[in-house]
Amino acid sequence: AQTVTQSQPEMSVQEAETVTLSCTYDTSESDYYLFWYKQPPSRQMILVIRQEAYKQQNATENRFSVNFQKAAKSFSLKISDSQLGDAAMYFCAYRSINAGNMLTFGGGTRLMVKP
Amino acid sequence: DVKVTQSSRYLVKRTGEKVFLECVQDMDHENMFWYRQDPGLGLRLIYFSYDVKMKEKGDIPEGYSVSREKKERFSLILESASTNQTSMYLCASRTQWGYTFGSGTRLTVV
Repeated sequence: AQTVTQSQPEMSVQEAETVTLSCTYDTSESDYYLFWYKQPPSRQMILVIRQEAYKQQNATENRFSVNFQKAAKSFSLKISDSQLGDAAMYFCAYRSINAGNMLTFGGGTRLMVKP
Repeated sequence: DVKVTQSSRYLVKRTGEKVFLECVQDMDHENMFWYRQDPGLGLRLIYFSYDVKMKEKGDIPEGYSVSREKKERFSLILESASTNQTSMYLCASRTQWGYTFGSGTRLTVV
């Protein structure tokens, strides 16, 4: 079974600065998907970014980018120019292409943004 | 946009009660999921369904059951609620590019 680990329960960043959230995973598969989800206080889970394992190029969505290191099984999220609205829980998630369609989540990182 | 609706945002139930958590999606998706969210543990899969009347156990199915009589509705059932089932419950529906989640039901069992 796959496991996803987020080693930082909490992080804080100054507004306008850059922060990186860490995620590692364990799998024996060669092809899979990785996701970062954001959960603000409203509790609505929002997809931030997604990465297909077969793509070497790191995914980017505006101020959000990932550093995908397949050999190291690492998938970190970089948030540039942090805004107050970025404050939320962030979850890293793994999806196998073989074993059904479920997501396996990490424990989450609470990001605080200081004005 | 796909919408996933959970019928209750907050729920308080007594130990031993039978509890129904309802989830409805509006896009005819086949795959639906129930997750439980606890601090430090992230989201853990309870059950999922890939079609009407089809269900599969997730990682933590004990004490729960599910029902999917219609494609748009996926219900989570706590047969006899216990205090250790106090948690946040999230329903999700699989889209082409990812998953759409409901806004969660915070269940307290007293």
